[in-house]
Amino acid sequence: AQRVTQPEKLLSVFKGAPVELKCNYSYSGSPELFWYVQYSRQRLQLLLRHISRESIKGFTADLNKGETSFHLKKPFAQEEDSAMYYCALSGNAGGTSYGKLTFGQGTILTVHP
Amino acid sequence: KAGVTQTPRYLIKTRGQQVTLSCSPISGHRSVSWYQQTPGQGLQFLFEYFSETQRNKGNFPGRFSGRQFSNSRSEMNVSTLELGDSALYLCASSFGLAASYNEQFFGPGTRLTVL
Repeated sequence: AQRVTQPEKLLSVFKGAPVELKCNYSYSGSPELFWYVQYSRQRLQLLLRHISRESIKGFTADLNKGETSFHLKKPFAQEEDSAMYYCALSGNAGGTSYGKLTFGQGTILTVHP
Repeated sequence: KAGVTQTPRYLIKTRGQQVTLSCSPISGHRSVSWYQQTPGQGLQFLFEYFSETQRNKGNFPGRFSGRQFSNSRSEMNVSTLELGDSALYLCASSFGLAASYNEQFFGPGTRLTVL
């Protein structure tokens, strides 16, 4: 079974402060990890995926298989980063990736001016 | 490119009724996935269709079903509605089978309220 845990429902920081949204997962195979974001009154959208190893809007996330974590980080938070963030996992077996995304419960990030 | 569209956007039904929700994927996308979002359970995967075939299924009762047409449009049906089926139903499309290299694009959702 695959499971994603985001321990913080709410996270508040001040503008310019570093931010880290935690994500831990449980999966017996080779996981594919994603971060999705939903801004106010907008659709759920992909922020970044571990396989790309990219930085989007200043956010990065590193897959740590030893700690089964995929924490999202940004060194200097901006007010426009305020949103709901979801960590998600997709299973991978025998080289075939599956479309089923398992989402965490989400973390509401608020960046204060 | 037009995004994923879902109809209707809002729906009110009573217990015992059935409902059909529709999803039109982005042009050229062949995979459609459905998710249920509730405050208590969060986002849960319902099923994925690719080329008119169900490829993945979540842990939902048989009252939840879906299908995909040759033009990749998809419908999901919920029969014998229960109060607990009240939720936001999201549809997502991707070019191929959803995977790390095939980004899923989400629609705005259909808000279903069961009275």
